[in-house]
Amino acid sequence: DGGITQSPKYLFRKEGQNVTLSCEQNLNHDAMYWYRQDPGQGLRLIYYSQIVNDFQKGDIAEGYSVSREKKESFPLTVTSAQKNPTAFYLCASQARGLEGSPLHFGNGTRLTVT
Amino acid sequence: ILNVEQSPQSLHVQEGDSTNFTCSFPSSNFYALHWYRWETAKSPEALFVMTLNGDEKKKGRISATLNTKEGYSYLYIKGSQPEDSATYLCASFHTDKLIFGTGTRLQVFP
Repeated sequence: DGGITQSPKYLFRKEGQNVTLSCEQNLNHDAMYWYRQDPGQGLRLIYYSQIVNDFQKGDIAEGYSVSREKKESFPLTVTSAQKNPTAFYLCASQARGLEGSPLHFGNGTRLTVT
Repeated sequence: ILNVEQSPQSLHVQEGDSTNFTCSFPSSNFYALHWYRWETAKSPEALFVMTLNGDEKKKGRISATLNTKEGYSYLYIKGSQPEDSATYLCASFHTDKLIFGTGTRLQVFP
């Protein structure tokens, strides 16, 4: 079955450590997105990528980094520079150039930093 | 930063009631409007994607309309059921990214 997989589901880290969240898709989608959700807020865009080896900052990119070396994978690194990293992170993919096509979401990773 | 707004923030209705939500978005550089349903402990699931002014889409008891000139979309649920309880997100596609609203949380009581 085609889908998008995020791992792990829960992640705990100490303050000051970098942590990488995994996102893999086998839908052959070109576009991939990372969103963050905080209580009482909507999904806020961190980074997005429309094609391999290219990505753009979203609205809240500070303290995050991404790579897009393969079409299937779009890992997100939460660096120690991110001031409030504890949040729920959602990855999504979309067929490229088809803004009329829906996003497919993973099940999310809940990151807790203490 | 582009802003997409949804209202109401939350809604409690009785089973059988019909209800509707509003999504407001910037009309400039608009390409598409998405609606998603997000149930607890699951990932968001696409309901509709609309691109043209005047578009109307329907899936069972749920329907949506789009007005791109004035920048709003309505989502309607006819005869709400407890299984409709979820957060309903709208998102507006501008240039090359999708911007989400904060969602409307719907609870349907039996």
